[in-house]
Amino acid sequence: DAGVTQSPTHLIKTRGQQVTLRCSPKSGHDTVSWYQQALGQGPQFIFQYYEEEERQRGNFPDRFSGHQFPNYSSELNVNALLLGDSALYLCASSLEPDIAGGSGEKLFFGSGTQLSVL
Amino acid sequence: AQKITQTQPGMFVQEKEAVTLDCTYDTSDQSYGLFWYKQPSSGEMIFLIYQGSYDEQNATEGRYSLNFQKARKSANLVISASQLGDSAMYFCADRLGQTGANNLFFGTGTRLTVIP
Repeated sequence: DAGVTQSPTHLIKTRGQQVTLRCSPKSGHDTVSWYQQALGQGPQFIFQYYEEEERQRGNFPDRFSGHQFPNYSSELNVNALLLGDSALYLCASSLEPDIAGGSGEKLFFGSGTQLSVL
Repeated sequence: AQKITQTQPGMFVQEKEAVTLDCTYDTSDQSYGLFWYKQPSSGEMIFLIYQGSYDEQNATEGRYSLNFQKARKSANLVISASQLGDSAMYFCADRLGQTGANNLFFGTGTRLTVIP
């Protein structure tokens, strides 16, 4: 049973460039969330996708956008990269939120993509 | 608004001993859920334990237990019989929002080092 997989594992970009990160959810999961983890901090919620639509969004600018495909995999796009975008980007998958009903349905995380912006 | 506070940047524990990692929370929601995740050097966040605000009993999962004190707004993680593989970052988190959405607001974490 494959867990959450992310690609690439590491990425180096320069300021102003655009980047696309990819995520495949755990088998059987239909919901994908993205988190940004700066060095020395806890992960911060970026947004969540379900049924190919953005369901919930954290406090991130429009430069951060996403997409979910019919097979539930997802992409995170960041435009006009800033130095402050350097971080570990984590993808998490779960079952559809309404089914969870606040029961503590846990998120399964991938190992992340380490993005460095120079 | 949510706030998770983990006041211990680093903790040390002797192998086979128990250790408590502190977490306090501040939420305006009546229904909330608290999670603990472990993050080894590989980067993956690993779910450890969950406590719902209406759960009567403290949650337990193997060597992990949660000391939930609602009046004090604390949800401390207790790891019994520490093992070398327990060395990692530990994050406390609160569920974002009251609905079934299961996204999380994380604290800044505690780095646990287990000493042989």
